[in-house]
This record gives sequence, structure tokens and C-alpha cells, in this order.
Amino acid sequence: LAKTTQPISMDSYEGQEVNITCSHNNIATNDYITWYQQFPSQGPRFIIQGYKTKVTNEVASLFIPADRKSSTLSLPRVSLSDTAVYYCLVGDKSSGNTGKLIFGQGTTLQVKP
Amino acid sequence: NAGVTQTPKFRVLKTGQSMTLLCAQDMNHEYMYWYRQDPGMGLRLIHYSVGEGTTAKGEVPDGYNVSRLKKQNFLLGLESAAPSQTSVYFCASSRPEAGSGLEQYFGPGTRLTVT
Repeated sequence: LAKTTQPISMDSYEGQEVNITCSHNNIATNDYITWYQQFPSQGPRFIIQGYKTKVTNEVASLFIPADRKSSTLSLPRVSLSDTAVYYCLVGDKSSGNTGKLIFGQGTTLQVKP
Repeated sequence: NAGVTQTPKFRVLKTGQSMTLLCAQDMNHEYMYWYRQDPGMGLRLIHYSVGEGTTAKGEVPDGYNVSRLKKQNFLLGLESAAPSQTSVYFCASSRPEAGSGLEQYFGPGTRLTVT
């Protein structure tokens, strides 16, 4: 499983766009990039996944450059309720994968009023 | 659907006591996982199961045992609790389709304190 590196913490203000970048230099051909969100005293929640270019859903956008050695999670117009820890993970989505994930320390996002 | 549920939510044990944590899911998922999370750290995989009757070791399996007798349940046991096992324990499950293990659904967690 490829190792990921992301900032330990970030601060933002309500209404701003937040971009969290994750580095995964050793990503393999079959690896997908997955982001989870964890609120205090809750289990992590899957928010978005992608392989290349751009993926967007109702929660966030995920930008992946052509070399796939990094990815950026973009949260538009954050609110106080977006304060959470965000984890970037890289894993093999091919057949036979048992789904083992390696969670790093994540990025603690603090949104201020 | 209740999703993934965990029992109990909180527990305090004395060193040497034993206990079992129960995880149940109603989504017909094949894969199930047990993680632990220590303060300020990410989650670490303890054991996992890819189907009823099968289990495998994760990153930190020592001191824990698991069983998957029914597809919807995954039990985590501590035979002789130690203070180092004080942690928050999360159970998760994922869909049976090949390669879908990356999208896991987590329970609310069990906060365990060993004194």
C-alpha cells in the first residue's frame, strides 16, 4: 500500500474554499485515491474516490494530476460543521483486494467563524 | 437500515479481565474490519474478515482474537486486557463487489478504558 503525506493541520474561515493536498509518490497503477472525513467521537466517513483527473460529488471535489503522485481534496465554501479530520488513503481497487486501508494521522481542519 | 452498530459504546475494564465487542451490519457486506484509534493518531487495523468463517490478522493483532460465525456479525475479544489496549475501537464493513473494500462503512465506536 502506497504511503501518503498530508499536512497535519489547516485553519480556514467560514465561506472559504479549502484545498488539502496529499502526496503519494509511490502510487501503483491499480491504486485509487480515497478520502475519508472523521468528526470528533465518530467513525470515519467515506467522502470521495478517484483514479485520475477530476471527480466531484455533493460533498467535495478531488483533483488528480496526470502523474497521480499527488491529489487535492477541495471543499467549497466550508462551514463550521466541516471541522473534522480528513484522511487521504491509497489502495488497490482491483479484484481480490481485501480492502485493507492504512490511515495516517490525517489533516485536522479547523473552520473558524 | 441501521448500518454498522457496535456494542457496547463504553466500557471500563480492570487489567486481566476479558470482554467481547460486538459489531453488527445489516448491509449484507462480505468484508468486515476492526480498527483501534489512539489519541491524535489515525486508525490501525487489528483484524479483518473477507467472509463468514474467515478471519485474518491486520497491522496490530496481538492481544486480540476475532470470530465471524455469522455474515452480519464480527466479534472482537480481549482475553486478558492490558492498559495499552485503552483505545477507541471502530468496526467497519464494505461491499462484496470486487475492489470495493476501499469504501468502508464505519460504526460509532466503542470507548474502552483499561485500568
